[in-house]
Amino acid sequence: DSGVTQTPKHLITATGQRVTLRCSPRSGDLSVYWYQQSLDQGLQFLIQYYNGEERAKGNILERFSAQQFPDLHSELNLSSLELGDSALYFCASSVGPAVLAGEVPFFGPGTRLTVL
Amino acid sequence: AQKVTQAQTEISVVEKEDVTLDCVYETRDTTYYLFWYKQPPSGELVFLIRRNSFDEQNEISGRYSWNFQKSTSSFNFTITASQVVDSAVYFCAQRGSTLGRLYFGRGTQLTVWP
Repeated sequence: DSGVTQTPKHLITATGQRVTLRCSPRSGDLSVYWYQQSLDQGLQFLIQYYNGEERAKGNILERFSAQQFPDLHSELNLSSLELGDSALYFCASSVGPAVLAGEVPFFGPGTRLTVL
Repeated sequence: AQKVTQAQTEISVVEKEDVTLDCVYETRDTTYYLFWYKQPPSGELVFLIRRNSFDEQNEISGRYSWNFQKSTSSFNFTITASQVVDSAVYFCAQRGSTLGRLYFGRGTQLTVWP
């Protein structure tokens, strides 16, 4: 158990809908990262938050947004869902902004999203 | 640009065989970090090891060992005396010195048969 929690574990929804994925980082970790794992794209970085502020953006679609709350949990919002958004979405956390040598991102169990 | 290549898509071995998973990376950073993660059939990503670019010492942890060679930009992972429980997808990843994001390879599916 990495200490990172994600809810829900599974989500089945229809095209055009909107969903929210939730992540709680390990105790003491200030950074949260979101990754998408799909068969065709592999593991892709979406976005990083550090202590409530957006720190880095990757291949995140405009239909997707995220935020990190004062209690450090994070939510990833996916809207106008398409079939191609079906994937495993991972949240990871680390202590700081990851410029420190000791930083290791630990991953949550993931949320499997199926868009029908 | 950062890039990680795991050329072996799938590997099958029989229990007790040794197996090496290859990882080749590209980066322009002089300081960087390399990682290996394991994804068992249950789906979670489990951290195995982190290596700094300025530390080329090989590392051994039980049946696992890692060989880091800067000259060939490789960070290979060997499992000695493989077991069925080692069956998983193994990912190699790289991180630069200023950003926290990881760049992942496509993964190697390892199947260990009894």
